[in-house]
Amino acid sequence: EVQLVESGGGLVQPGGSLRLSCAASGFTFHNHWVSWVRQAPGKGLEWVAHINPDGNLKNYVDSAKGRFTISRDNAKNSVNLQMSSLNSADAATYYCARTAAVDRGLDLWGQGTLVTVSS
Amino acid sequence: DTQMTQSPSSVSASVGDRVTITCRTSQDINNWLAWYQQKPGRAPKLLISAASSLQSGVPSRFSGSGSGTHFTLTISSLQPEDFATYYCQQANMSPDTFGQGTKVDMK
Repeated sequence: EVQLVESGGGLVQPGGSLRLSCAASGFTFHNHWVSWVRQAPGKGLEWVAHINPDGNLKNYVDSAKGRFTISRDNAKNSVNLQMSSLNSADAATYYCARTAAVDRGLDLWGQGTLVTVSS
Repeated sequence: DTQMTQSPSSVSASVGDRVTITCRTSQDINNWLAWYQQKPGRAPKLLISAASSLQSGVPSRFSGSGSGTHFTLTISSLQPEDFATYYCQQANMSPDTFGQGTKVDMK
């Protein structure tokens, strides 16, 4: 089955760290860019970061720069998002999403993993 | 960064209505514009990419148009399953920003 499955969400204290993972299956993973997109409760979508197929090109939203690191392991068909110095603004459901090979749309999404930041 | 202005923020409509949602960008995005549908508690679903390319399996009542900095999503005849929130997204230059969303609800 073609799918993305996120894991690693949970409750973290302000200033803490968390590592999210996205496991891919059913398609040629190393052909695709992968993004992380988040959605705070009751709010809209916010693109967070993406990584190219080789893992050597990464971009981040300004609020994530210096705190979040995206990485991938093509041998394991997985993408990670290491998050540090978390604050309440980072509380959200985090989705990983595959970029279509041709037209840049995010054509496959995971079910999301919830990150809660609270003391 | 490319700013996105999506309008309206909400629209009340009836089954069979024609619904149009607009997305304006702060700079030319070379038609790298996608539209997504999201239902409560679910991940977004890609409807249209590259401004006008309908994704496989998406009903033909959905269409996308526009170029440069002005884009539209049209639902030609609203169906019960189309009540949802819709987002535009530009993928021309990082950060790949989303519009604020348009909630389509029942009149």
